[in-house]
Formats: sequence, C-alpha cells, structure tokens
Amino acid sequence: AQRVTQPEKLLSVFKGAPVELKCNYSYSGSPELFWYVQYSRQRLQLLLRHISRESIKGFTADLNKGETSFHLKKPFAQEEDSAMYYCALTGNAGNMLTFGGGTRLMVKP
Amino acid sequence: DTGVSQDPRHKITKRGQNVTFRCDPISEHNRLYWYRQTLGQGPEFLTYFQNEAQLEKSRLLSDRFSAERPKGSFSTLEIQRTEQGDSAMYLCASSFANTEAFFGQGTRLTVV
Repeated sequence: AQRVTQPEKLLSVFKGAPVELKCNYSYSGSPELFWYVQYSRQRLQLLLRHISRESIKGFTADLNKGETSFHLKKPFAQEEDSAMYYCALTGNAGNMLTFGGGTRLMVKP
Repeated sequence: DTGVSQDPRHKITKRGQNVTFRCDPISEHNRLYWYRQTLGQGPEFLTYFQNEAQLEKSRLLSDRFSAERPKGSFSTLEIQRTEQGDSAMYLCASSFANTEAFFGQGTRLTVV
C-alpha cells in the first residue's frame, strides 16, 4: 500500500530562518512526488513536482529514493510562506494522488 | 475560464437526507477527481473519471456514494442517507491526462 507521512503537524519559524518540511513515503514502484500548498482561504495548488526539478518561490525538494523522502526546503522563510503544505505521490495510470496529513508552516515576523 | 468550480460551497443537512454536489472542471480537461478531506487530515481519493467513464473507485466510497459525469464535462457526487461521519470537505480536481491537477474550492458538508 502507498503511504505519505508528514511527521510535523506544525512548524513555526522566524522570518529569514531556514525551513525544512519533512515528507516520507512508502511505495513499491517508482512514484512521482509533489508538494501542494494551501494559503489561507485559497484552494489547494501545486507548488512543485520532483520530475520538473524546479525551484518555486525559493522552495526546492529532492527525491531521495534510498531514504524514501521528499523534504521541502527553503533557505530563508518569508511571512507569505505561511500556509498548509501537503506532500503527495502518485504512481498509477490514473494519476490519483495520495496525500500526507499536511504541515502548517507559520513564519513569524 | 476561472478554474475548477464547485457548488455549493457549504451544505448543512440533517442525518438521513440525501445531498448532491456539483463540480465543473476546466473545460479542456478530460480527467476529473473527487477527494474528501476531514479536519486535520490530507485529502483522500474517492473516485476518478476519464471523460465520462468512471475508471477508479476508492474503498472509501461506500454504496451510499455515487458519482456521475454524464457528458464528460461536469460531475455530480451524491451521498444518500447521510451520516455524521460524512461531514467533511469534498474536493474536486481536474487535469488533462497526466498533467497538473487543478483543485476547486471544495464543498464543506456538515451533517447534523
């Protein structure tokens, strides 16, 4: 069975501090990994996907197949980064997503 | 095109009543997904359509739930004989093939 685990429900940092949101997964094949973000009162939206290897809004995530992790990182957090972050995977033809429980990031001034 | 649209945004219903939600995907998207999200959890997959064909259903989708996408455009999700455990946010998403899935704002269901 596929599973995504985000061990931290809440992560609180000060503006300018580095951020790392953890994500671990279990999947028997070769999954595609994503980070979705939900800002206050907005819909869920894609932040980045591992195959594109992009940096979006200063965030990066590296897929570590050995550790089955896909942690999200940003070197200097901004107050506007405060949001709910969900790690997700898919590995099936229909592209259905399996989400983690989410981590709320709070960036304090 | 304003993105994926869901209606209603909020629904309060009494236990035992039937409810129906509607999702209008982005017009050129051939795939449509339904997810359910309860408080403090991430979204959980319910079912998915490619065009008008319902290709996958989660075990979460009990026989009280039914979804349709009659012409391959909008979709409806009906819950019969609602229970308090059905209270959740119901999210719809659409995509074109395996490209990025875009989510709607969701329908929040409260069963009292």
